[in-house]
Amino acid sequence: DAGVIQSPRHEVTEMGQEVTLRCKPISGHNSLFWYRQTMMRGLELLIYFNNNVPIDDSGMPEDRFSAKMPNASFSTLKIQPSEPRDSAVYFCASTRTTGNSNQPQHFGDGTRLSIL
Amino acid sequence: AQKVTQAQTEISVVEKEDVTLDCVYETRDTTYYLFWYKQPPSGELVFLIRRNSFDEQNEISGRYSWNFQKSTSSFNFTITASQVVDSAVYFCALSEAHDTDKLIFGTGTRLQVFP
Repeated sequence: DAGVIQSPRHEVTEMGQEVTLRCKPISGHNSLFWYRQTMMRGLELLIYFNNNVPIDDSGMPEDRFSAKMPNASFSTLKIQPSEPRDSAVYFCASTRTTGNSNQPQHFGDGTRLSIL
Repeated sequence: AQKVTQAQTEISVVEKEDVTLDCVYETRDTTYYLFWYKQPPSGELVFLIRRNSFDEQNEISGRYSWNFQKSTSSFNFTITASQVVDSAVYFCALSEAHDTDKLIFGTGTRLQVFP
């Protein structure tokens, strides 16, 4: 079975540009998560969706960041305008959430973003 | 408040040595879940194990074993006869029953295994 698929794997762009990161969760998973990993702050949860609905976006750093999940098989994380401090690895993860059962999250390979 | 502490920032061992990675957690929930993930140099995050708070049995999977002790709020990970391919950053994580979707990660332990 295919895992979580993220694109692009690497992105280098100049500050001020719009950046769009994409994620396809594992088929059948109904929860999707966006994380950011930096040396300084480690792994941070930015936002997560359940059944395509944003549940908690308290980790989104500022209004320049937005995320959407138009359907069960696709999500985007957008940064507009981008800044050098947004440089990080962005991970998408998915899991199947059912009641109180807690299944592990499965991660994509990440997008390494560099803002010059 | 919930928290995961991995006090060991970096560990270096020589191949075939055993190594234990420590994880201490804090939570007020009586039902919670603990996880270990591996992040090799290639960067992906790989799920290793999940444990729920009612199951204190230790688990062994090949050279990997996990020791869950509620009395000390610890969930330690031991690699027996380490190999160079075990070199990675290992993350311990916690989720609580009242908000099972959220994973709280520790800061990770970088393990370097030298030949």
